[in-house]
Amino acid sequence: AQSVTQLGSHVSVSEGALVLLRCNYSSSVPPYLFWYVQYPNQGLQLLLKYTTGATLVKGINGFEAEFKKSETSFHLTKPSAHMSDAAEYFCAVSSKTSYDKVIFGPGTSLSVIP
Amino acid sequence: DTEVTQTPKHLVMGMTNKKSLKCEQHMGHRAMYWYKQKAKKPPELMFVYSYEKLSINESVPSRFSPECPNSSLLNLHLHALQPEDSALYLCASSQVYTNTDTQYFGPGTRLTVL
Repeated sequence: AQSVTQLGSHVSVSEGALVLLRCNYSSSVPPYLFWYVQYPNQGLQLLLKYTTGATLVKGINGFEAEFKKSETSFHLTKPSAHMSDAAEYFCAVSSKTSYDKVIFGPGTSLSVIP
Repeated sequence: DTEVTQTPKHLVMGMTNKKSLKCEQHMGHRAMYWYKQKAKKPPELMFVYSYEKLSINESVPSRFSPECPNSSLLNLHLHALQPEDSALYLCASSQVYTNTDTQYFGPGTRLTVL
């Protein structure tokens, strides 16, 4: 069975500082990996996803994530935080070997301090 | 147009009421989803429709009844709900139902059951 964990339910960064949101998965076969963002009172929006190929994935709004098989990780980064980045971020996985639903992590709430 | 619309935005209902949530997309997507999201939690999948046929029912109580009248519309009929059903209900769509397809989410309907 697959699972996904996100270290830190809440992360605070200063405006202009590096954003690092952690995601680790548990799966016998490395899964497909996603990061979604949810702004207040909105639905989720895909930031980026890794399915195959290059392990460094670039997404929207300046975010990127790197798939590291040896560490079973898919951490999300952004070099310089903006106030508009304050939101809830969900890492998610889906199986490569069976037809199944996307499993979301518990989420990390990002605050950006001016 | 990458928009999924949901109506109403907010709904308050009593435990004996019958109401419906509506979701619409005009992206030509053939997979549509209902999720339930409690505060500070990730979305939980309820139903998946693929080519207008119910593909997944995640053991949802019968007081929730989905309907997909055509490829653009998805309804969720509500009857005899409980206070614990109060949540944000999110609709999503994707081109087809696969493990890698990007899901596009609507803004949600915030439901309060009194």
